[in-house]
Amino acid sequence: QKEVEQNSGPLSVPEGAIASLNCTYSDRVSQSFFWYRQYSGKSPELIMSIYSNGDKEDGRFTAQLNKASQYVSLLIRDSQPSDSATYLCAVRWGSARQLTFGSGTQLTVLP
Amino acid sequence: EADIYQTPRYLVIGTGKKITLECSQTMGHDKMYWYQQDPGMELHLIHYSYGVNSTEKGDLSSESTVSRIRTEHFPLTLESARPSHTSQYLCASALRQSYEQYFGPGTRLTVT
Repeated sequence: QKEVEQNSGPLSVPEGAIASLNCTYSDRVSQSFFWYRQYSGKSPELIMSIYSNGDKEDGRFTAQLNKASQYVSLLIRDSQPSDSATYLCAVRWGSARQLTFGSGTQLTVLP
Repeated sequence: EADIYQTPRYLVIGTGKKITLECSQTMGHDKMYWYQQDPGMELHLIHYSYGVNSTEKGDLSSESTVSRIRTEHFPLTLESARPSHTSQYLCASALRQSYEQYFGPGTRLTVT
C-alpha cells in the first residue's frame, strides 16, 4: 500500500516566521508532487507542483523535493494569519492515473 | 483562476431518494475527478474520467455512478441515498497532459 504521510499538527508559528511543512511517501517510483491549501469548510486549492529534486520557489512558497530520502517539504516565508489552513501533500505514483493525498497538516499562524 | 462549478452547494435529503450532483468546467479539461471528504479527514477518490465516454472507479468503494457524455460535464448519481453517504463531495479537473487538479467548491450532502 503506497502511502503519503503528513504530521497532522496543529503546527503553530508566529506571524512573520517561516512555516515548514513536511510530507514523506512510501515508494521511490514517484513522479509528481503537489501541495494544496484547504481552508476550513472550503475545497483544496493548488499551491504548487514539483517534479525534480531541489527547490522550487513561487512567491512566499518554496517546495523542496528529495527523492532519495522520499520527502517533499513546503516552506512558507513571512507567514501571515491568512496562511492558517490545512496543507495537503499529494503524490502521483509512477504511471498512476490519479493522485494519492495525505491527510494534511493544520497550520495556525498566530498574530 | 479555475472555472469549475458544482451544484447544489448544500443538499439535505431523505433516505432512499435518488440524487445527482452536478459538476461542470469551462476550461476544456479532459480529466475530471470526484472525491469524497469527511470533515478533517483525507480526500478519497471515488470516480474519474479521462475523456468523453471514459469513466473509472477510484480507490474508495462507492455506491455512486458517473457519466461523461460531454467534456465539460461530469455528474455523479446516487440511486438511493443513505445516511452513510453524508459527506462533502468535491469535483476536480485537469488538463490531458497534467496532474495539477483544480477543485470545484464542493457539495455538502446530508442524508437524514
